[in-house]
Amino acid sequence: GDSVTQMEGPVTLSEEAFLTINCTYTATGYPSLFWYVQYPGEGLQLLLKATKADDKGSNKGFEATYRKETTSFHLEKGSVQVSDSAVYFCALRGGSYIPTFGRGTSLIVHP
Amino acid sequence: ETGVTQTPRHLVMGMTNKKSLKCEQHLGHNAMYWYKQSAKKPLELMFVYNFKEQTENNSVPSRFSPECPNSSHLFLHLHTLQPEDSALYLCASSQDLGPANEKLFFGSGTQLSVL
Repeated sequence: GDSVTQMEGPVTLSEEAFLTINCTYTATGYPSLFWYVQYPGEGLQLLLKATKADDKGSNKGFEATYRKETTSFHLEKGSVQVSDSAVYFCALRGGSYIPTFGRGTSLIVHP
Repeated sequence: ETGVTQTPRHLVMGMTNKKSLKCEQHLGHNAMYWYKQSAKKPLELMFVYNFKEQTENNSVPSRFSPECPNSSHLFLHLHTLQPEDSALYLCASSQDLGPANEKLFFGSGTQLSVL
């Protein structure tokens, strides 16, 4: 079945550092890929998405590129802020149209 | 505010208690979901309802019983839970389960502790 594997956290960075959170997936066909973010005490909210190979999703300075050849969708940001501290979930949506999520990666950004 | 409201925010219950979690959405969506969030595990899909009909039961133990009286409300009835059921329970909604279903809207969750 479909599955998503994320790097284990927490990821701890200083403000203005470069961020990468790795995500790889297993799915049949051509899934859509997503990153969701969960701020403390809140539910998940969609951060960005990509629906086909080589698409780049972007939002709030975050980017991720759909790489079919490596089945990956790594999240990047050039300069993180304290306010980016949250848990980030990679997800895919395959033929069932119901998203499958990874375990989440916690990001802690220090001033 | 995502338009999905869950109550209560926190719940502590004994193993012999019966309680219910409530979810309400004001987005006009037709699909609603229950997910379980446990530390260091993938977000776990429990149940899905589409137009009030249950379409997915992801091998969830019978001590969890969902109810969807209309497209705006979703309940999760709990009875004789185990300590390992302690987790954050998230409700979500989406327009429907079709190809255009690209975004889920989540509530803030109910943090459940089973003693």
